[in-house]
Amino acid sequence: GDSVTQTEGPVTLSEGTSLTVNCSYETKQYPTLFWYVQYPGEGPQLLFKVPKANEKGSNRGFEATYNKEATSFHLQKASVQESDSAVYYCALGDGSGYNKLTFGKGTVLLVSP
Amino acid sequence: EAAVTQSPRSKVAVTGGKVTLSCHQTNNHDYMYWYRQDTGHGLRLIHYSYVADSTEKGDIPDGYKASRPSQENFSLILELASLSQTAVYFCASSDRWPTGQLYFGEGSKLTVL
Repeated sequence: GDSVTQTEGPVTLSEGTSLTVNCSYETKQYPTLFWYVQYPGEGPQLLFKVPKANEKGSNRGFEATYNKEATSFHLQKASVQESDSAVYYCALGDGSGYNKLTFGKGTVLLVSP
Repeated sequence: EAAVTQSPRSKVAVTGGKVTLSCHQTNNHDYMYWYRQDTGHGLRLIHYSYVADSTEKGDIPDGYKASRPSQENFSLILELASLSQTAVYFCASSDRWPTGQLYFGEGSKLTVL
């Protein structure tokens, strides 16, 4: 079946430094890829999605490129802020038509001022 | 105003008891999902539904039943709760493919003693 592997956390950074969270996936389908973010006490929410290979998604200064050849979808941000502290999930849509997502285990990001 | 609401938000149950987690959405979405969140496992799909009065098994359905009596409501039922079912449970809704975006509730924390 489908699987998603992402950077194990926690990742601890200082404000103003750069972030990379690695995400690799395995699937026999042609997937849509997503990054979700979960703030404390809330449910996950969509950060952005990329439905097509070799395209880039971005939102709130975060970006990721869907690399079909490398089966990767790494999340990056040039300069993190304390408010970015959250859990980040890479997710893979299975293409079944029912929007079923396979999530990675999540990466905890802690940003200190 | 929250579009996916879960109840209860927190529950303590005894081993062998019956637990029902409820979810209500006002998004007018056809698809609904129950995910389980555990440290070290991320989010895993238990059951989903694409139409009222019908439910489908997800990736980890054992020990869980689901019920979708209307488009707006989706319940997760643990007939015989076990210690291993202690987790946070998230309900989500989604519009028809290909949007792919899931809208999550705030979660229900279940502790089985």
